[in-house]
Amino acid sequence: EIVMTQSPATLSVSPGERATLSCRASQSVSTTLAWYQQKPGQAPRLLIYSASTRATGVPARFSGSGSGTDFTLTISSLQSEDFAVYYCQHYNKWPLTFGQGTKVEIK
Amino acid sequence: EVLLEESGGGLVQPGGSLRLSCADSGFTFSSYALTWVRQAPGRGLEWVSTISANGRDTYYADSVKGQFTISRDNSKNTLYLQMNNLRADDTGLYYCAGWRSGSPPYMDVWGQGTSVTVSS
Repeated sequence: EIVMTQSPATLSVSPGERATLSCRASQSVSTTLAWYQQKPGQAPRLLIYSASTRATGVPARFSGSGSGTDFTLTISSLQSEDFAVYYCQHYNKWPLTFGQGTKVEIK
Repeated sequence: EVLLEESGGGLVQPGGSLRLSCADSGFTFSSYALTWVRQAPGRGLEWVSTISANGRDTYYADSVKGQFTISRDNSKNTLYLQMNNLRADDTGLYYCAGWRSGSPPYMDVWGQGTSVTVSS
């Protein structure tokens, strides 16, 4: 099984600042990597797939990069609605696995 | 558009069984591969099981293999998860999610989840 490790566990950021979230795979997953956002009491929402492609309706301030084992989700200028937990997930092979999540909180 | 709604959760004793359902009120159910993802209280997301759009292919996490069975009835636009011999660590919110058949397995549609509590 491919283990996905996210860092940091918690990121404290002020509104308007840039947030950089990391995700590392235990082996190469090429670009078969998705990012999800989950707000309290809500289902996850797909943000990014294929490591860098924004899903429909996702604002341009969200961007993804990386390939192989190291990936980054960047939120260029945090808005109040962006404070949430973010998960990465690989879909290179079965089983699918998620990272443990990064909580982005207000500083 | 696929709109997913889970049901069937509840309180069950250890060793008991439960069947979750996920119904689609849209019109494209049979063209979507579907999956169950669970989330223990205060914890992260865990992939549980996936079934292909035509129901022929199924995949399970090692943690539930032999214990859970995924199935679907495309004539009823419904996905199922039969859960047997439940344990305390099966407690959590169970989401159904999916992707268009032929697309890679990233989940672009989600239900709101149904809660399962395994406790005596």
